[in-house]
Amino acid sequence: GQQVQQSPASLVLQEGENAELQCNFSSTATQLQWFYQSPGGSLVSLLSNPSGTKHTGRLTSTTVTKERRSSLHISSSQTTDSGTYLCAIHNYAQGLTFGLGTRVSVFP
Amino acid sequence: NAGVIQTPRHKVTGKGQEATLWCEPISGHSAVFWYRQTIVQGLEFLTYFRNQAPIDDSGMPKERFSAQMPNQSHSTLKIQSTQPQDSAVYLCASSTRDWGGQDTQYFGPGTRLLVL
Repeated sequence: GQQVQQSPASLVLQEGENAELQCNFSSTATQLQWFYQSPGGSLVSLLSNPSGTKHTGRLTSTTVTKERRSSLHISSSQTTDSGTYLCAIHNYAQGLTFGLGTRVSVFP
Repeated sequence: NAGVIQTPRHKVTGKGQEATLWCEPISGHSAVFWYRQTIVQGLEFLTYFRNQAPIDDSGMPKERFSAQMPNQSHSTLKIQSTQPQDSAVYLCASSTRDWGGQDTQYFGPGTRLLVL
């Protein structure tokens, strides 16, 4: 089945630093989503980006479909960015396959 | 738009009891998904419905777990004879599931199930 690998597993930042999170997947996908999960659990969709580059606020996602990889760039990190970032893929007629996530901790 | 609603938010059952979890998808969304999250396994897909019809239950444990979607406004996940290993956060998501385009899944807050 599909597999999703995320790196790094964890990341510690000082407020204001930038970060790059990586997601590699084992098969082609028609949809790729980045999620944020707060300490406490709510899952929030950040970006849907099956190919190309997309921006929202301080987040930029770049997906290179033929290389089966996606990245999420966080610029000017803030303490409120702390939490777990999850990458997930699916093809139509399938549920999402998630990576184990990158746990981000931002300190003032 | 209230988002995906899940009830109860927390449930504690004794081993061997039945647990029923409820999900109300976002109005107008045609697809409903169930996932389970544990620290060890992470987030795992269980099953999904489109227009109330079961489409893929490949992630569902073959015994004791069942899911239904009797109408557009709610879905249930039932676990019979609960076991301690069923303890997890159960998440429901919905999407427009537009086959011709891209769809985004929106998640509910989850039901935290603890089996003692």
